[in-house]
Amino acid sequence: DAKTTQPNSMESNEEEPVHLPCNHSTISGTDYIHWYRQLPSQGPEYVIHGLTSNVNNRMASLAIAEDRKSSTLILHRATLRDAAVYYCILGHGSGNTGKLIFGQGTTLQVKP
Amino acid sequence: DGGITQSPKYLFRKEGQNVTLSCEQNLNHDAMYWYRQDPGQGLRLIYYSQIVNDFQKGDIAEGYSVSREKKESFPLTVTSAQKNPTAFYLCASSIIPPGGYTFGSGTRLTVV
Repeated sequence: DAKTTQPNSMESNEEEPVHLPCNHSTISGTDYIHWYRQLPSQGPEYVIHGLTSNVNNRMASLAIAEDRKSSTLILHRATLRDAAVYYCILGHGSGNTGKLIFGQGTTLQVKP
Repeated sequence: DGGITQSPKYLFRKEGQNVTLSCEQNLNHDAMYWYRQDPGQGLRLIYYSQIVNDFQKGDIAEGYSVSREKKESFPLTVTSAQKNPTAFYLCASSIIPPGGYTFGSGTRLTVV
């Protein structure tokens, strides 16, 4: 299974943009890049996913490198409610199980 | 509202007893998954199922069993063979890949 590498922790100030990096140098051509976040004692929450092109939704943006070996989750204006563990995951693409393999994630702290 | 429900939220059992964790979804998702999370760790896949009456082992299936008799339900039994059953258990569902996952709110199992 292809793996991802994320920093253990990051800090941000409230109302500033946050760029959360993820390296996935062994990604295969059919692997989608997924991002989830988890608050303490809760189940993970879907944030965004993409394959090759950059993606935007109401929660965040996903910037994917041209070689797909890295990606960045962008929170445009961090709020205190964005403090969570963020997981970058490679989801197996077409024709297979769809199981997601979680790593350790990045713990994001947001300072007021 | 569509969603995924895990019950109970907290569960206490004596060592040596089997215990079954419930997971129900009304999202009409084909695939369902069970994950285990230990303190400060990421999620580890126990079992997953893409279709009724079929399921596959994940990375840490030993000491666990599942069934998938209905599309909506995917109960997990933690057997006495599981050496360290105390953990936070998360159930998830998804459409067949690459759709996003929806997670339940989890069951915290404590074995004493």
